Amino acid sequence: LAKTTQPISMDSYEGQEVNITCSHNNIATNDYITWYQQFPSQGPRFIIQGYKTKVTNEVASLFIPADRKSSTLSLPRVSLSDTAVYYCLVVGGGATNKLIFGTGTLLAVQP
Amino acid sequence: ETGVTQTPRHLVMGMTNKKSLKCEQHLGHNAMYWYKQSAKKPLELMFVYSLEERVENNSVPSRFSPECPNSSHLFLHLHTLQPEDSALYLCASSHGTAEAFFGQGTRLTVV
Repeated sequence: LAKTTQPISMDSYEGQEVNITCSHNNIATNDYITWYQQFPSQGPRFIIQGYKTKVTNEVASLFIPADRKSSTLSLPRVSLSDTAVYYCLVVGGGATNKLIFGTGTLLAVQP
Repeated sequence: ETGVTQTPRHLVMGMTNKKSLKCEQHLGHNAMYWYKQSAKKPLELMFVYSLEERVENNSVPSRFSPECPNSSHLFLHLHTLQPEDSALYLCASSHGTAEAFFGQGTRLTVV
């Protein structure tokens, strides 16, 4: 399984764009990059998933360079309610994924 | 509501008790997971079931015993737990590389 590395924490202010970068140097050909958000005392919630280039949904964008060894989650115009832990996972293309969560990035949004 | 239901939401048990946690999904997913999350720590993967067969047992003590009677139900049987087992226990389900859905968790306190 490809190991992921992300910053432990980040600070931002309301209305700003936040970019969280994750490195996954050992990503395999069949792996996808997936991001989850977790609030205290709740289960993680899926945000976005991508394989290469750029993916955008109503919540975020995911940028993946050609070598796929890193990815950047972009949250446009964050609000206080975006304060949470964000996890980057590499998900294999096999029948079962172990879904290993790392330490994640604690994003603190201030007014 | 994620489609993954965990019961009970809260549980207090003595060290000599036997209890079970239940997880249920009717999303048609073929994989189910148990995670443990202690206070301010990352999620620890405990068990993974794929098509009702256990494919991952992450060095979990034998006082935790999982059971997957069918693809929609997952149990975690608990006996002779220790105070350090107090944590949030999360169940998740997924299908292939698609997003995983998490339940709300069971907050377990061992006294």
